[in-house]
This record gives sequence, structure tokens and C-alpha cells, in this order.
Amino acid sequence: DTGVSQNPRHKITKRGQNVTFRCDPISEHNRLYWYRQTLGQGPEFLTYFQNEAQLEKSRLLSDRFSAERPKGSFSTLEIQRTEQGDSAMYLCASSNSGGLTDTQYFGPGTRLTVL
Amino acid sequence: TQLLEQSPQFLSIQEGENLTVYCNSSSVFSSLQWYRQEPGEGPVLLVTVVTGGEVKKLKRLTFQFGDARKDSSLHITAAQPGDTGLYLCAGGRGRSQGNLIFGKGTKLSVKP
Repeated sequence: DTGVSQNPRHKITKRGQNVTFRCDPISEHNRLYWYRQTLGQGPEFLTYFQNEAQLEKSRLLSDRFSAERPKGSFSTLEIQRTEQGDSAMYLCASSNSGGLTDTQYFGPGTRLTVL
Repeated sequence: TQLLEQSPQFLSIQEGENLTVYCNSSSVFSSLQWYRQEPGEGPVLLVTVVTGGEVKKLKRLTFQFGDARKDSSLHITAAQPGDTGLYLCAGGRGRSQGNLIFGKGTKLSVKP
């Protein structure tokens, strides 16, 4: 399977704990995006990388959130001191900025539940 | 702030009926993507449209991008239970601005 993969698929944690999610993009894609989706809403943009560089961060990305893409391949999203309001589906997408349309392809998501 | 409004929010129809879902904005987008999402899964790309007035067909699905690139529609002919899901439209803002702006989605239920 050469699509976007995310791990873990589900994470249950207690309030105040730290969690880390991983995303592996489609191999030839240089852009990687993180989105968050809550029930009844469309995905909301968090941040994106072009190669190793983090080019844009949403104001939704509080200082408890940090994302990295150290070698321009996989990325991690860490949430420190989780709160119940962080419960959501975290989606990763990738694209090729050199392609005709820069279309984004999504992974299956990581469902986070903060108790 | 760019927003995409989708309508209707919910749609429940019988197998064999036709339907249209709308995606509207006051802003111009460089591209418009339509995705379908199943519960607990990520969005799956259906189509990308980039030219004003463009029409694309995918079997029983017809997608149209408005002439001014501010709106789009998705028409499904002879809906089937397998079409059930959440349909999301997403606007692209150009290569220099990477993120997509998503609508809230249309939840479609097709009953046999």
C-alpha cells in the first residue's frame, strides 16, 4: 500500500498526559499537512511542511502542540498536557507541490480520546 | 476569513433517486476538491477541479466548478446505498498557501 499511513489509529489517554502521532506520507510527496476534525465538522488546518521546513501554522496550534518533519519524510505531531478539548480525529495529508494541482491525499487518521 | 458553506447538511434518500450537493463561498479558490469520508476513516479524494466552468464526471457522479471559481456542485444520479457517506468540499488557495479550506460536509444516507 503506497498511500498515507498514520499510527496509531486510536489513542486513549488521561488528561495531562503527552501523546505523539506519526504520519508517513506518499513517498514522492514533498508536502505534508496536519488537520484536526471534530464531530460534525470538516477538517481544520493545523500546520504544513514542505520538505523539512514548517511553512505555516494555524492559530489553532497552541504552544502545547508541536510538529516535526526532521528528514523531510515522516512527521510527528506531539500534544503536551492533553486536555479534553483535544479529543478529535487528527488527519495527515500529503501532496506534490510540483504536480499539476497540488492535490492532497489523506491518511486514515488517528482518533484521540482524552479522558 | 474564507469560508465554504455546504448544503444541505443532511440528506436521506431512497435508492435510485438523484441528488445535488452544493458548496458555496464568497471567496475565489484556485482549485476545489471533493472528498468522501466514511465514519472513523480519512477523507478519500473523488475529484479536483481547477478551471472555472469545468465539469468532471466519475461514473454516476458529476462535479462542476462555478465560472467564477467561488462555488461547486456534486450531482449523483441513481444513488445507491454504497454512496452513503460524508461528502466534503475543500477549496485550495494556491501553491503558496498550502492548506485547504473545508466545508462542514453533507451527510448522505441512501436507503435500499
